[in-house]
Amino acid sequence: DIQMTQSPSTLSASVGDRVTITCRASQSIINWLAWYQQKPGKAPKLLIYKASTLESGVPSRFSGSGSGTEFTLTISSLQPDDFATYYCQQYNSYSTFGQGTKVEIK
Amino acid sequence: EVQLVESGGGLVQPGGSLRLSCAASGFTFSNYAMTWVRQAPGKGLAWVSAISASGGSTYYADSVKGRFTISRDNSKNTLYLQMNSLRAEDTAVYFCAKAYGLGSYYASWGLGTLVTVSS
Repeated sequence: DIQMTQSPSTLSASVGDRVTITCRASQSIINWLAWYQQKPGKAPKLLIYKASTLESGVPSRFSGSGSGTEFTLTISSLQPDDFATYYCQQYNSYSTFGQGTKVEIK
Repeated sequence: EVQLVESGGGLVQPGGSLRLSCAASGFTFSNYAMTWVRQAPGKGLAWVSAISASGGSTYYADSVKGRFTISRDNSKNTLYLQMNSLRAEDTAVYFCAKAYGLGSYYASWGLGTLVTVSS
């Protein structure tokens, strides 16, 4: 099974900060990686798929990069609506989620 | 607009059974694979099971293999998850999601249904 490891687990940041979250796969997943945002009590929302393709309607301050085993999600200028938990997901072999990164207000 | 509505959750005793349903609308259900993802209270997302568009292929996480069965009725636009031999660690919100294949990202999700396994 492919394991996904996100870092950090928690991130404290301020509005306007540039934020980067890392996701590492236990083996190459090529670019079959997605990123989601989830707020308490809500379903996850797809942000990015195929490592770097922005889902329709998602603000351009979100971007994704990487290939193989190392990937990043970047928020270029953190907005109040962005405080949430973020998950990566590999879909090269079935599906595995990372453990999540909570972005908190500093 | 894609809509996915889960139902069937509730409180069940350890060792009991429950069947979840996911009613789909707003897209041609029979053209898409579907999946179940769960989230234990305060924990992260965990993939549970997936089924192909025709229903001919199914896949399960090791944690539920042999206890859970995914199925679908394309004439009713409905996805199911039969859960048997339930354990306390199966307690979670269960989401259904529309997929583009058995290995896929998920652009559309339901709101989830809570399953609580407790005596």
